[in-house]
Amino acid sequence: GENVEQHPSTLSVQEGDSAVIKCTYSDSASNYFPWYKQELGKRPQLIIDIRSNVGEKKDQRIAVTLNKTAKHFSLHITETQPEDSAVYFCAATFSGSARQLTFGSGTQLTVLP
Amino acid sequence: NAGVTQTPKFQVLKTGQSMTLQCAQDMNHEYMSWYRQDPGMGLRLIHYSVGAGITDQGEVPNGYNVSRSTTEDFPLRLLSAAPSQTSVYFCASSYFLWDTQYFGPGTRLTVL
Repeated sequence: GENVEQHPSTLSVQEGDSAVIKCTYSDSASNYFPWYKQELGKRPQLIIDIRSNVGEKKDQRIAVTLNKTAKHFSLHITETQPEDSAVYFCAATFSGSARQLTFGSGTQLTVLP
Repeated sequence: NAGVTQTPKFQVLKTGQSMTLQCAQDMNHEYMSWYRQDPGMGLRLIHYSVGAGITDQGEVPNGYNVSRSTTEDFPLRLLSAAPSQTSVYFCASSYFLWDTQYFGPGTRLTVL
């Protein structure tokens, strides 16, 4: 079936450093790629998304890049802060099941003060 | 707006029991879905609906039923609970799939 692989599963960075999380997908026709943040004990919340007709999108300290040829997209967080500590999930839609989102397995990001 | 609400927040069942997890949204969203979240496995889609009267299976539908009689409500029924269904269940809604998914607070289910 369709698959989204997410790496790394855990990531620790020093406060102020950058963090990068990468996801690869299997369907070249995928066209929507959101990222969700889930704090401990809370519900997932959308932080940024990108569509296949765009290569990069930024929102303050957060950016997402998309490489359709290589079938991967990445989340970049700059100037990390302790409140960025959370689990981050990538997701993608697939042409064969265009009404579903498939999520990656998540990355636990820890920002060390 | 209350957004997406789920009840109950916690539930303990015995193997073989049945129950219904409730989900409601007041944002007039057409798309609703149910996910289960297990450690290290992300969010896996159980069932989804693109509008009242229309439902379809997701990645892990076995052991679960859904119905969508109104735009607002999307209950998830466990037919005969099994320990493998111990999980955190999230309901989500959006105007359409390629849009912000608003998640409910979740239901933590334990099956003994």
